[in-house]
Amino acid sequence: LAKTTQPISMDSYEGQEVNITCSHNNIATNDYITWYQQFPSQGPRFIIQGYKTKVTNEVASLFIPADRKSSTLSLPRVSLSDTAVYYCLVVRGTNAGKSTFGDGTTLTVKP
Amino acid sequence: SAVISQKPSRDICQRGTSLTIQCQVDSQVTMMFWYRQQPGQSLTLIATANQGSEATYESGFVIDKFPISRPNLTFSTLTVSNMSPEDSSIYLCSVKGQKDGYTFGSGTRLTVV
Repeated sequence: LAKTTQPISMDSYEGQEVNITCSHNNIATNDYITWYQQFPSQGPRFIIQGYKTKVTNEVASLFIPADRKSSTLSLPRVSLSDTAVYYCLVVRGTNAGKSTFGDGTTLTVKP
Repeated sequence: SAVISQKPSRDICQRGTSLTIQCQVDSQVTMMFWYRQQPGQSLTLIATANQGSEATYESGFVIDKFPISRPNLTFSTLTVSNMSPEDSSIYLCSVKGQKDGYTFGSGTRLTVV
């Protein structure tokens, strides 16, 4: 499975858009990309997933270039409550089994 | 997405003892995954639990230390055996959804003293 690389930490201010990029150079044809949010003392929570181009839901957008070797999670107008660790995870598409988490990005939103 | 009930939420245990963690899913799933998350670190996969067969363990994890049961398609247990302080971590179970990635239990915070 593709190893992922993310920035260790990012800072932002309330109301700003935050973009977190994940590198997954060895992604396979059947793999797709998922993103998770984790607060302290909680399990990770699924945010969004995509295979290529752009996906948008009520909380985030996911941009995936044509070569799929990276992806960018975009959080519009962050608030203090968006302070969390964000993980990107590459998932095998066929008979999806185990996936390996990277180190994640700690996002700190400041007032 | 699936809903997972995991218990206990936390426990403090004496070294040398064992703790069994339970995960109940509100739907039938083929595979359940057990993770460990040490303080300030990412999640590490311990094993994959399949119903009707032995669990598949990742490198560095062995069945004697982390025996897993999977009696049916909605339930699994992970036992942390002969505990030492190094086993102090958060343990999480997880299942894979169809369209919404992985769903995680709320975790079990284990402290070994």
